[in-house]
Amino acid sequence: RKEVEQDPGPFNVPEGATVAFNCTYSNSASQSFFWYRQDCRKEPKLLMSVYSSGNEDGRFTAQLNRASQYISLLIRDSKLSDSATYLCVVMGNDMRFGAGTRLTVKP
Amino acid sequence: EAGVVQSPRYKIIEKKQPVAFWCNPISGHNTLYWYRQNLGQGPELLIRYENEEAVDDSQLPKDRFSAERLKGVDSTLKIQPAELGDSAVYLCASSDVGEQYFGPGTRLTVT
Repeated sequence: RKEVEQDPGPFNVPEGATVAFNCTYSNSASQSFFWYRQDCRKEPKLLMSVYSSGNEDGRFTAQLNRASQYISLLIRDSKLSDSATYLCVVMGNDMRFGAGTRLTVKP
Repeated sequence: EAGVVQSPRYKIIEKKQPVAFWCNPISGHNTLYWYRQNLGQGPELLIRYENEEAVDDSQLPKDRFSAERLKGVDSTLKIQPAELGDSAVYLCASSDVGEQYFGPGTRLTVT
């Protein structure tokens, strides 16, 4: 079993849709959690950290469930510019990336 | 502020040849990471430095890969000899506390 698992997608949604990505991790001692965004042939960039209480940044909401070892990212009112791969990142003693979930937002 | 700088951006070599990648992290960042990313996969950590000390190299294939960060600033990653399966993007990242900042990567093709 991989340490960090994500639904690879692809997710193809129309503009304005709400889309949710899930991520599970195996190391219960993991301490920090992040969502990164990676555009095609570009480097990953931090989208948002994930806090235990859940956090929101504009149209993006991240949630953490430590008991179930589960992280989620919700994107509301999808824009064309949201098209990218979303990487779940879990940090314990080191950083572990999921394989990413690919999102395409269509007009 | 300058970001993480990597060179070269692209490299094509024949198998069994050596290759080296260079990374200059963001000024003041003590932690430096080398990752390998295969197509359709997330980055896989190869080695992590705290200043000049390699604190996590458990995923580095030590028979052919080596890395150094002699003065605790820039770093080089070397592969000798390269194999076909080494074709990937090699990403360097640096951090101070928390967020990692990635360089643009070196896309390696081994033929």
